[in-house]
Amino acid sequence: DADVTQTPRNRITKTGKRIMLECSQTKGHDRMYWYRQDPGLGLRLIYYSFDVKDINKGEISDGYSVSRQAQAKFSLSLESAIPNQTALYFCATSDLYTTGQAVLDGYTFGSGTRLTVV
Amino acid sequence: QKEVEQNSGPLSVPEGAIASLNCTYSDRVSQSFFWYRQYSGKSPELIMSIYSNGDKEDGRFTAQLNKASQYVSLLIRDSQPSDSATYLCAVIRNTGTASKLTFGTGTRLQVTL
Repeated sequence: DADVTQTPRNRITKTGKRIMLECSQTKGHDRMYWYRQDPGLGLRLIYYSFDVKDINKGEISDGYSVSRQAQAKFSLSLESAIPNQTALYFCATSDLYTTGQAVLDGYTFGSGTRLTVV
Repeated sequence: QKEVEQNSGPLSVPEGAIASLNCTYSDRVSQSFFWYRQYSGKSPELIMSIYSNGDKEDGRFTAQLNKASQYVSLLIRDSQPSDSATYLCAVIRNTGTASKLTFGTGTRLQVTL
């Protein structure tokens, strides 16, 4: 089984519908992230959570909400989907650790959800 | 100015040649740097990390960091067609527990036969 599992893998939905993307992990990491990726724009952070009681907005949170149900689960919701939310969505987890003077934060990505809003 | 900048490419190199991928970053306090490889439609995969000035080698990959110039690069020796992918540079500003990655938009590499 994958360390970070995203469901669904693909989804087509209609404008105005509510949709939830789910992410679960078996790595035991406290930190979880949601990114969207669009051609030419790279990976942009939507929301992130450093533990179950900590939720933070990223650079493009408008139109999205999240829920951290447990250490292992982090869901992304589109309350009323619109066509410009069509993108590839990635969940990631990380574990903060230090080595020498540096703080390293190794990310593990899920396989992605391709969302199309029509 | 973007926090992390990469040439989008495509960078085309013949099989067996050295591919050189470059990245600049704007935040001088950035401390940790990463290169991810991403095949089309797939998730990013970490291939190198570096946090000290100089070179770090891992197999056919060498990451180079110059903090004074705010520049990080990735060299791929003996390039293979399977190296054809988009390479994402990522930077972390070490603000302790609040640290998180910022990604560049990626450079697409094409290795030709």
